[in-house]
Amino acid sequence: DSGVTQTPKHLITATGQRVTLRCSPRSGDLSVYWYQQSLDQGLQFLIQYYNGEERAKGNILERFSAQQFPDLHSELNLSSLELGDSALYFCASSARTATGNTIYFGEGSWLTVV
Amino acid sequence: SQQGEEDPQALSIQEGENATMNCSYKTSINNLQWYRQNSGRGLVHLILIRSNEREKHSGRLRVTLDTSKKSSSLLITASRAADTASYFCAPPYNAGNMLTFGGGTRLMVKP
Repeated sequence: DSGVTQTPKHLITATGQRVTLRCSPRSGDLSVYWYQQSLDQGLQFLIQYYNGEERAKGNILERFSAQQFPDLHSELNLSSLELGDSALYFCASSARTATGNTIYFGEGSWLTVV
Repeated sequence: SQQGEEDPQALSIQEGENATMNCSYKTSINNLQWYRQNSGRGLVHLILIRSNEREKHSGRLRVTLDTSKKSSSLLITASRAADTASYFCAPPYNAGNMLTFGGGTRLMVKP
């Protein structure tokens, strides 16, 4: 158990809908990362937050947004969903944002868009 | 972009044998992390090696780092069926600790 908690574990929704994925980082970790894993794209970095502020952006679509709240949990919002958004979405956390901090991953949220 | 590229893409061995996976990356780094992923599960952190370390051990795992060749290797000794998984190396992309991942090595250990 990495200590990173993600909900829901599985989600099936229709195209055009909006979903929210939630992440609780390890106790004391200030940095949260979101990744998307799909068969054709592999593991893609989406976005990073540190202590409530956005720190880095990767291949995140404009239809997607995220935030980190004062209690350090984070949410990834996916809107106007398309079939191609079906993937495993991971949240990860680390104590600090500097390179060299071990990053721990949650079990992921399986999103299926039908 | 800076991402680890694992080699081979797939590896099949018998239980008890050693498994070696290699990773190459493009730009200078000061650390590199290795992860394991069982099918459909989360990534499990295995080891972090820093640029001033040439070799690091953790149980049956041995990781090497050659910064001059921009390469790393993961050796699993006396493999077990439970080691069957995908293994990823993850160099940092920037000073902000963002990790990038390649396609991984899919290891199958046959009982």
